[in-house]
Amino acid sequence: SQQGEEDPQALSIQEGENATMNCSYKTSINNLQWYRQNSGRGLVHLILIRSNEREKHSGRLRVTLDTSKKSSSLLITASRAADTASYFCASNFGNEKLTFGTGTRLTIIP
Amino acid sequence: EPEVTQTPSHQVTQMGQEVILRCVPISNHLYFYWYRQILGQKVEFLVSFYNNEISEKSEIFDDQFSVERPDGSNFTLKIRSTKLEDSAMYFCASDELRGSTEAFFGQGTRLTVV
Repeated sequence: SQQGEEDPQALSIQEGENATMNCSYKTSINNLQWYRQNSGRGLVHLILIRSNEREKHSGRLRVTLDTSKKSSSLLITASRAADTASYFCASNFGNEKLTFGTGTRLTIIP
Repeated sequence: EPEVTQTPSHQVTQMGQEVILRCVPISNHLYFYWYRQILGQKVEFLVSFYNNEISEKSEIFDDQFSVERPDGSNFTLKIRSTKLEDSAMYFCASDELRGSTEAFFGQGTRLTVV
């Protein structure tokens, strides 16, 4: 498959701490997108990072992309209870569709 | 903020019945997609649709599935004869530019086949 695993599969941290999630892929990408999914709900788009970009920020979110290692990370700073959700990376390999990773389940402990 | 809307939010159907899942993509988007997520598993691509025709489909999207854009706003997924294994969350998505821009997803339709 083109898409590798995300790690960790599950992460529990105290409110206020930073959370880092990683995503790997196997072939060259056009862009990589991060999504959040609250339990049983829809997918909320967080950030898109293109293959020629190395870092992108949006509020408390920071995404990095290392195309030499075929990996990306999502950092959430100063976590809040409302950040509890599953986080997915999804890669676009130059066609239309997105290929999703397995996701990281993040739990923020108040 | 524009959003993708899906109806119904939950559908229960008998095995062998036909179901139609409905979506209204974002109005200026040109590319439309269906994905599904079986409980506890990853989100999987089903089909993409552009200019009133299927542009790509996965091996999941067999003859039991079809898509249609019956008017200028709706985008539908039909499953002709549902199987138990079709039980999943089905997501509609749309984007402006063939995977090069953000893909926005609807809230999903949870399909339960009994």
